[in-house]
Amino acid sequence: GEDVEQSLFLSVREGDSSVINCTYTDSSSTYLYWYKQEPGAGLQLLTYIFSNMDMKQDQRLTVLLNKKDKHLSLRIADTQTGDSAIYFCAERANDYKLSFGAGTTVTVRA
Amino acid sequence: DAGVIQSPRHEVTEMGQEVTLRCKPISGHDYLFWYRQTMMRGLELLIYFNNNVPIDDSGMPEDRFSAKMPNASFSTLKIQPSEPRDSAVYFCASTKTPIEAFFGQGTRLTVV
Repeated sequence: GEDVEQSLFLSVREGDSSVINCTYTDSSSTYLYWYKQEPGAGLQLLTYIFSNMDMKQDQRLTVLLNKKDKHLSLRIADTQTGDSAIYFCAERANDYKLSFGAGTTVTVRA
Repeated sequence: DAGVIQSPRHEVTEMGQEVTLRCKPISGHDYLFWYRQTMMRGLELLIYFNNNVPIDDSGMPEDRFSAKMPNASFSTLKIQPSEPRDSAVYFCASTKTPIEAFFGQGTRLTVV
């Protein structure tokens, strides 16, 4: 979606940290999401953050939200080969509609 | 629950033919969404339903597309007549809360 932007590709060495960045435009966004899509599969919700939070950590995943700059990031610690996938940033305002970014293809190399 | 179930997984059809995609949401979920994924446009919301009623169909590309939800456990997305530019992966998703939407595996449509 044109309201959510993210870089298209990221290559990372196995064991390193990955950081995927996203910017959004809707200041009324209430929830921001990270979805993962593996080849031939649907989207799987990885994590989400409410707009009044700055950070959320869930095992290897850390989400940072800068609401002033409308910037969202996802950090994956100790990246594994199974983390290779397309990662989508999405925002939701006050209805049930999700606006997705174009997706970042993460490639983990040995 | 088996999750959101879509059928068929793959569909190849000739231009001009009618195509019907099917979705069974997770039981108890009263919101259902249809998305389309293409390389050029990414993921686009086509339409969504609440309690079987269409709430927002502003993403439906044109009159060739129609969606129905005759009951809480079934929805269809129909394209008639189909065109090559309709080739995409079509996803159905359902939810009962505003927090998380559960996606099906998608239907890969190829119109030749």
